[in-house]
Amino acid sequence: TQLLEQSPQFLSIQEGENLTVYCNSSSVFSSLQWYRQEPGEGPVLLVTVVTGGEVKKLKRLTFQFGDARKDSSLHITAAQPGDTGLYLCAGDNNAGNMLTFGGGTRLMVKP
Amino acid sequence: KAGVTQTPRYLIKTRGQQVTLSCSPISGHRSVSWYQQTPGQGLQFLFEYFSETQRNKGNFPGRFSGRQFSNSRSEMNVSTLELGDSALYLCASSYQLGLAGVSDGELFFGEGSRLTVL
Repeated sequence: TQLLEQSPQFLSIQEGENLTVYCNSSSVFSSLQWYRQEPGEGPVLLVTVVTGGEVKKLKRLTFQFGDARKDSSLHITAAQPGDTGLYLCAGDNNAGNMLTFGGGTRLMVKP
Repeated sequence: KAGVTQTPRYLIKTRGQQVTLSCSPISGHRSVSWYQQTPGQGLQFLFEYFSETQRNKGNFPGRFSGRQFSNSRSEMNVSTLELGDSALYLCASSYQLGLAGVSDGELFFGEGSRLTVL
């Protein structure tokens, strides 16, 4: 069974601070996706990383896929209250849309 | 264009009953996946349908079943409900299930159906 462990589980920070969320596994994934979920809504895809060592930037968000394709990180610069939500990583192992999700990181950014 | 629509949004059942949840994918999307989300276990894959055929199934008991219709709409059914089945059930659609099982489509999730079992 493939597992994805996310850390930290909870994060409460002030507006303007930086933060990093980690997603780790002992298994190799063909790609890794990051989602954000807000209360009462379904997850929304932020980015997909495919190549080991790949770095993708989405405005103030930087995503990195580990060289061995077993881990990933999400770094947010100068967090804003609008970044508040549940961040989920999900591993894809070429099995259709059967994704393995991490437990999530619940982020709260206080103004 | 309209997103993924799930009905009902909220429902309350008692133990032993059965429930049917519905999912209408984005127009043109042929793959529909179902996930269960709970505070303890997070998001867990239930099953995936493509062109009315179940392509993948997660590690859930046989009480959980699903189907997909010719218009790509999907339903999932849970029979003999247990307290532990209380969860948010999420449906996701994507345009294409790639060749050799490779997913090459972004998943679009619905808002979910929140089931409470008393």
